[in-house]
Amino acid sequence: DQQVKQNSPSLSVQEGRISILNCDYTNSMFDYFLWYKKYPAEGPTFLISISSIKDKNEDGRFTVFLNKSAKHLSLHIVPSQPGDSAVYFCAASGRGGSNYKLTFGKGTLLTVNP
Amino acid sequence: NAGVTQTPKFRVLKTGQSMTLLCAQDMNHEYMYWYRQDPGMGLRLIHYSVGEGTTAKGEVPDGYNVSRLKKQNFLLGLESAAPSQTSVYFCASNSAGTMPQHFGDGTRLSIL
Repeated sequence: DQQVKQNSPSLSVQEGRISILNCDYTNSMFDYFLWYKKYPAEGPTFLISISSIKDKNEDGRFTVFLNKSAKHLSLHIVPSQPGDSAVYFCAASGRGGSNYKLTFGKGTLLTVNP
Repeated sequence: NAGVTQTPKFRVLKTGQSMTLLCAQDMNHEYMYWYRQDPGMGLRLIHYSVGEGTTAKGEVPDGYNVSRLKKQNFLLGLESAAPSQTSVYFCASNSAGTMPQHFGDGTRLSIL
């Protein structure tokens, strides 16, 4: 039973446009969410996170939105750049992030075309 | 700043062989983890440790053992490798009670 779902295996966008990556979760105990980016042959690198006490968090071109009632979060990348092409993983944790265990989605491959 | 270092980067084993994967972190993190990633799957937690001398099972622990004798090192062992353990293995670490987890670059393991 998947507790964190990324239903789009892949996404293709044009350079300069917005990329929107989606993530749904089923466990109501999750209250801290992270996005990781992964390039081939490298480990995941942390991108941005959000606590359930917020509904939005921004860091430069990256914004994460959280809709707790829908158990849905999304990552917006504006503007998208070719260097953003990677696999993006959504991950969730409980107890405000102090619960050390992360549950990952299957990932979405983002391709940004020049 | 090395961060999380995994050794080796890749390895090919025969069924039944044993080996140990090493993870080392230089950030003085209390928590360390071993994950595996398979095609079309997210990262799944194998074992984790919340401090030197302590380990616990994750989501997919069968066929693996771990040890945390030193705070900076977390070892993952395969006693009798099986083809189903062909995967990419990632180690991660973080400070107690804080996120995010920091990952190494992975060990690609093939078992024939």
